[in-house]
Amino acid sequence: NAGVTQTPKFRVLKTGQSMTLLCAQDMNHEYMYWYRQDPGMGLRLIHYSVGEGTTAKGEVPDGYNVSRLKKQNFLLGLESAAPSQTSVYFCASSYSGFPPVRQYFGPGTRLTVL
Amino acid sequence: GESVGLHLPTLSVQEGDNSIINCAYSNSASDYFIWYKQESGKGPQFIIDIRSNMDKRQGQRVTVLLNKTVKHLSLQIAATQPGDSAVYFCAEAYSSASKIIFGSGTRLSIRP
Repeated sequence: NAGVTQTPKFRVLKTGQSMTLLCAQDMNHEYMYWYRQDPGMGLRLIHYSVGEGTTAKGEVPDGYNVSRLKKQNFLLGLESAAPSQTSVYFCASSYSGFPPVRQYFGPGTRLTVL
Repeated sequence: GESVGLHLPTLSVQEGDNSIINCAYSNSASDYFIWYKQESGKGPQFIIDIRSNMDKRQGQRVTVLLNKTVKHLSLQIAATQPGDSAVYFCAEAYSSASKIIFGSGTRLSIRP
């Protein structure tokens, strides 16, 4: 059981470039989340999904898009990267239920935008 | 707006002593409060949660206390070990929500 995996682990982009971060989970979870974590700060929710084909905005959605075409995958896209998007990105998943207190996190993707 | 915050950004504890990590919250309507642990270079890991109608909940070597009167949450770790070194986040959620809101974290360091 791999749990939650994220690809890639590290990436350096130039301003204006685009990229997609991939999150995959093998626990058959309904809910999936994308967070960003800046130095010395907590986790801020970017977008989330409560099921295949559904997505919703979190606290800081601007500059990001997401897709959940398959239940096990949740993609985070940056169309035109900006230095302010330099951060560590975490994906998480959880069983359905209100609220989803127990989330399972991936190892993170460290993104630097120059 | 409503937020979950922490009293102290860092905490240093002698190995073997008990650790107490505090968290203040402002949203009295939250139904659940949760603690996560994040070790260096890893993603956060769920530790324990407590429902708003409870005052205390115990897990393995951890106890969470909730004081709704002063909107205060604490995580107590018994007999702190080197493996407890991490950043600890509190979080809150509504029972009708499909997401949780994280606070800013406290770094716990262990002195040998």
